[in-house]
Amino acid sequence: KAGVTQTPRYLIKTRGQQVTLSCSPISGHRSVSWYQQTPGQGLQFLFEYFSETQRNKGNFPGRFSGRQFSNSRSEMNVSTLELGDSALYLCASSFAGPYEQYFGPGTRLTVT
Amino acid sequence: GIQVEQSPPDLILQEGANSTLRCNFSDSVNNLQWFHQNPWGQLINLFYIPSGTKQNGRLSATTVATERYSLLYISSSQTTDSGVYFCAPKLDSGSRLTFGEGTQLTVNP
Repeated sequence: KAGVTQTPRYLIKTRGQQVTLSCSPISGHRSVSWYQQTPGQGLQFLFEYFSETQRNKGNFPGRFSGRQFSNSRSEMNVSTLELGDSALYLCASSFAGPYEQYFGPGTRLTVT
Repeated sequence: GIQVEQSPPDLILQEGANSTLRCNFSDSVNNLQWFHQNPWGQLINLFYIPSGTKQNGRLSATTVATERYSLLYISSSQTTDSGVYFCAPKLDSGSRLTFGEGTQLTVNP
Protein backbone atom coordinates (compact mmCIF):
# COMPACT_ATOMS: atom_id res chain seq x y z
CA LYS A 1 0.00 0.00 0.00
CA ALA A 2 1.38 3.40 -0.95
CA GLY A 3 2.38 5.69 1.89
CA VAL A 4 1.54 9.32 2.49
CA THR A 5 2.82 11.51 -0.31
CA GLN A 6 3.56 15.21 -0.19
CA THR A 7 4.30 17.63 -2.99
CA PRO A 8 6.42 19.50 -3.64
CA ARG A 9 9.32 18.19 -1.60
CA TYR A 10 11.28 21.44 -1.67
CA LEU A 11 10.14 24.98 -2.22
CA ILE A 12 11.79 28.40 -2.16
CA LYS A 13 9.54 31.44 -1.89
CA THR A 14 10.01 35.14 -1.30
CA ARG A 15 8.65 37.01 1.70
CA GLY A 16 5.11 38.23 1.02
CA GLN A 17 4.24 35.48 -1.44
CA GLN A 18 1.81 32.67 -0.77
CA VAL A 19 2.32 28.94 -1.04
CA THR A 20 0.16 25.82 -1.34
CA LEU A 21 1.34 22.40 -0.19
CA SER A 22 -0.37 19.14 -1.03
CA CYS A 23 -0.80 15.88 0.86
CA SER A 24 -2.27 12.60 -0.36
CA PRO A 25 -3.13 10.22 2.49
CA ILE A 26 -2.86 6.45 2.61
CA SER A 27 -5.79 4.86 0.81
CA GLY A 28 -8.73 4.49 3.19
CA HIS A 29 -7.50 7.09 5.65
CA ARG A 30 -9.92 9.96 6.12
CA SER A 31 -8.06 12.03 8.70
CA VAL A 32 -5.22 14.29 7.59
CA SER A 33 -3.17 16.40 9.99
CA TRP A 34 -0.48 18.98 9.30
CA TYR A 35 2.54 19.80 11.43
CA GLN A 36 5.28 22.40 11.25
CA GLN A 37 8.83 21.61 12.36
CA THR A 38 11.36 24.35 13.04
CA PRO A 39 14.64 24.23 14.99
CA GLY A 40 13.33 26.73 17.54
CA GLN A 41 9.77 25.49 18.11
CA GLY A 42 10.07 21.80 17.34
CA LEU A 43 7.12 19.89 15.92
CA GLN A 44 3.85 21.77 16.26
CA PHE A 45 0.34 20.81 15.24
CA LEU A 46 -1.26 23.06 12.63
CA PHE A 47 -4.67 21.53 11.95
CA GLU A 48 -6.58 18.35 11.27
CA TYR A 49 -9.16 17.63 8.60
CA PHE A 50 -11.66 14.83 8.58
CA SER A 51 -14.41 14.33 5.99
CA GLU A 52 -13.63 17.73 4.45
CA THR A 53 -14.11 19.53 7.77
CA GLN A 54 -11.48 21.09 9.99
CA ARG A 55 -11.78 19.18 13.23
CA ASN A 56 -8.95 20.66 15.24
CA LYS A 57 -6.66 23.65 14.97
CA GLY A 58 -3.36 24.55 16.57
CA ASN A 59 -2.14 27.94 17.69
CA PHE A 60 -1.14 29.46 14.37
CA PRO A 61 -2.18 32.76 12.77
CA GLY A 62 -4.94 32.93 10.19
CA ARG A 63 -2.36 33.12 7.40
CA PHE A 64 -2.22 29.34 7.72
CA SER A 65 -5.24 27.61 6.26
CA GLY A 66 -6.13 24.28 4.80
CA ARG A 67 -8.80 22.24 3.15
CA GLN A 68 -9.63 18.66 2.39
CA PHE A 69 -11.23 17.26 -0.73
CA SER A 70 -13.78 14.47 -1.08
CA ASN A 71 -11.00 11.98 -1.91
CA SER A 72 -9.32 12.91 1.44
CA ARG A 73 -6.42 14.70 -0.24
CA SER A 74 -5.52 17.85 1.64
CA GLU A 75 -3.86 21.14 0.88
CA MET A 76 -2.49 23.74 3.20
CA ASN A 77 -1.94 27.34 2.23
CA VAL A 78 0.25 29.98 3.79
CA SER A 79 -0.38 33.55 2.70
CA THR A 80 1.90 36.57 3.07
CA LEU A 81 4.93 34.46 3.82
CA GLU A 82 7.33 35.55 6.54
CA LEU A 83 10.93 34.48 7.08
CA GLY A 84 9.82 32.57 10.18
CA ASP A 85 7.60 30.33 8.06
CA SER A 86 10.71 28.57 6.79
CA ALA A 87 10.21 25.04 8.07
CA LEU A 88 9.62 21.41 7.31
CA TYR A 89 5.88 20.85 6.85
CA LEU A 90 4.74 17.34 7.61
CA CYS A 91 1.43 15.74 6.83
CA ALA A 92 0.06 12.67 8.58
CA SER A 93 -2.90 10.44 7.85
CA SER A 94 -4.88 7.92 9.84
CA PHE A 95 -8.23 6.23 10.13
CA ALA A 96 -10.75 8.17 12.17
CA GLY A 97 -10.36 7.90 15.94
CA PRO A 98 -7.38 7.00 18.15
CA TYR A 99 -5.47 5.16 15.46
CA GLU A 100 -1.86 5.14 14.45
CA GLN A 101 -0.78 8.07 12.32
CA TYR A 102 1.59 7.80 9.39
CA PHE A 103 3.69 10.68 8.13
CA GLY A 104 4.73 11.74 4.68
CA PRO A 105 8.27 12.76 3.72
CA GLY A 106 7.54 16.45 4.25
CA THR A 107 7.86 19.65 2.25
CA ARG A 108 10.85 21.80 3.09
CA LEU A 109 9.90 25.45 2.63
CA THR A 110 12.49 28.18 2.56
CA VAL A 111 11.35 31.81 2.63
CA THR A 112 13.92 34.38 1.50
CA GLY B 1 -2.35 21.63 26.77
CA ILE B 2 -0.46 18.45 27.47
CA GLN B 3 3.23 18.81 28.35
CA VAL B 4 5.72 16.25 27.03
CA GLU B 5 9.25 15.90 28.35
CA GLN B 6 11.83 13.60 26.81
CA SER B 7 15.12 12.59 28.36
CA PRO B 8 17.98 12.59 27.82
CA PRO B 9 18.10 15.34 25.17
CA ASP B 10 21.32 13.93 23.75
CA LEU B 11 22.82 10.47 23.92
CA ILE B 12 26.09 9.20 22.47
CA LEU B 13 26.73 5.46 22.38
CA GLN B 14 29.22 3.00 21.03
CA GLU B 15 27.87 0.45 18.60
CA GLY B 16 26.53 -2.54 20.50
CA ALA B 17 25.46 -0.62 23.60
CA ASN B 18 21.94 -0.57 25.01
CA SER B 19 19.93 2.53 25.87
CA THR B 20 16.66 3.69 27.40
CA LEU B 21 14.83 6.81 26.31
CA ARG B 22 12.14 8.26 28.54
CA CYS B 23 8.98 10.25 27.82
CA ASN B 24 6.93 11.89 30.59
CA PHE B 25 3.56 13.45 29.88
CA SER B 26 1.32 15.59 32.00
CA ASP B 27 -2.17 14.25 31.27
CA SER B 28 -3.99 11.02 30.65
CA VAL B 29 -3.66 9.98 27.03
CA ASN B 30 -5.55 7.64 24.73
CA ASN B 31 -2.69 7.06 22.32
CA LEU B 32 1.07 7.38 22.25
CA GLN B 33 3.47 6.89 19.37
CA TRP B 34 7.24 6.70 19.13
CA PHE B 35 8.97 7.90 15.98
CA HIS B 36 12.48 7.94 14.57
CA GLN B 37 13.23 10.93 12.35
CA ASN B 38 15.64 10.04 9.59
CA PRO B 39 18.29 12.45 8.23
CA TRP B 40 15.90 13.53 5.46
CA GLY B 41 13.25 14.55 7.97
CA GLN B 42 10.71 11.78 7.59
CA LEU B 43 9.13 10.42 10.74
CA ILE B 44 9.31 6.65 10.81
CA ASN B 45 6.76 4.84 12.97
CA LEU B 46 8.32 2.73 15.69
CA PHE B 47 5.49 1.96 18.08
CA TYR B 48 1.86 2.75 18.64
CA ILE B 49 1.61 2.02 22.36
CA PRO B 50 -1.11 3.65 24.49
CA SER B 51 -0.34 1.14 27.26
CA GLY B 52 1.60 -2.05 27.92
CA THR B 53 4.76 -3.36 26.29
CA LYS B 54 5.60 -4.10 22.67
CA GLN B 55 8.71 -5.41 21.00
CA ASN B 56 9.97 -5.15 17.45
CA GLY B 57 13.38 -6.70 16.91
CA ARG B 58 16.01 -4.81 18.88
CA LEU B 59 13.51 -2.18 19.94
CA SER B 60 10.86 -2.38 22.60
CA ALA B 61 8.59 0.12 24.29
CA THR B 62 6.61 0.28 27.49
CA THR B 63 3.89 2.77 28.38
CA VAL B 64 2.57 3.06 31.93
CA ALA B 65 -0.41 5.28 31.32
CA THR B 66 -1.44 5.51 34.98
CA GLU B 67 1.98 6.93 35.86
CA ARG B 68 2.19 9.04 32.69
CA TYR B 69 5.40 7.84 31.16
CA SER B 70 6.70 5.74 28.31
CA LEU B 71 10.09 4.15 27.72
CA LEU B 72 11.84 3.17 24.50
CA TYR B 73 14.57 0.54 24.75
CA ILE B 74 17.20 0.11 22.08
CA SER B 75 19.42 -2.93 22.42
CA SER B 76 22.65 -3.72 20.57
CA SER B 77 22.60 -0.30 18.95
CA GLN B 78 23.80 0.15 15.37
CA THR B 79 25.06 3.24 13.56
CA THR B 80 21.82 3.26 11.56
CA ASP B 81 19.92 3.88 14.81
CA SER B 82 21.35 7.41 14.89
CA GLY B 83 18.84 10.21 14.58
CA VAL B 84 16.18 11.91 16.64
CA TYR B 85 13.59 9.91 18.56
CA PHE B 86 10.25 11.51 19.36
CA CYS B 87 7.42 10.44 21.56
CA ALA B 88 4.01 11.88 20.77
CA PRO B 89 1.03 11.30 23.02
CA LYS B 90 -2.49 12.12 21.95
CA LEU B 91 -4.94 13.52 24.41
CA ASP B 92 -8.30 13.79 22.73
CA SER B 93 -10.50 12.01 20.27
CA GLY B 94 -9.06 13.85 17.30
CA SER B 95 -5.70 13.24 15.69
CA ARG B 96 -3.57 15.93 17.32
CA LEU B 97 -0.24 14.52 18.47
CA THR B 98 1.85 16.56 20.89
CA PHE B 99 5.55 16.05 20.36
CA GLY B 100 8.35 16.19 22.86
CA GLU B 101 11.62 17.90 21.96
CA GLY B 102 13.17 14.58 21.09
CA THR B 103 16.29 12.66 22.00
CA GLN B 104 19.22 13.07 19.62
CA LEU B 105 20.94 9.67 19.48
CA THR B 106 24.40 9.24 18.00
CA VAL B 107 25.81 5.73 17.65
CA ASN B 108 29.52 5.64 16.88
CA PRO B 109 31.19 2.65 15.18
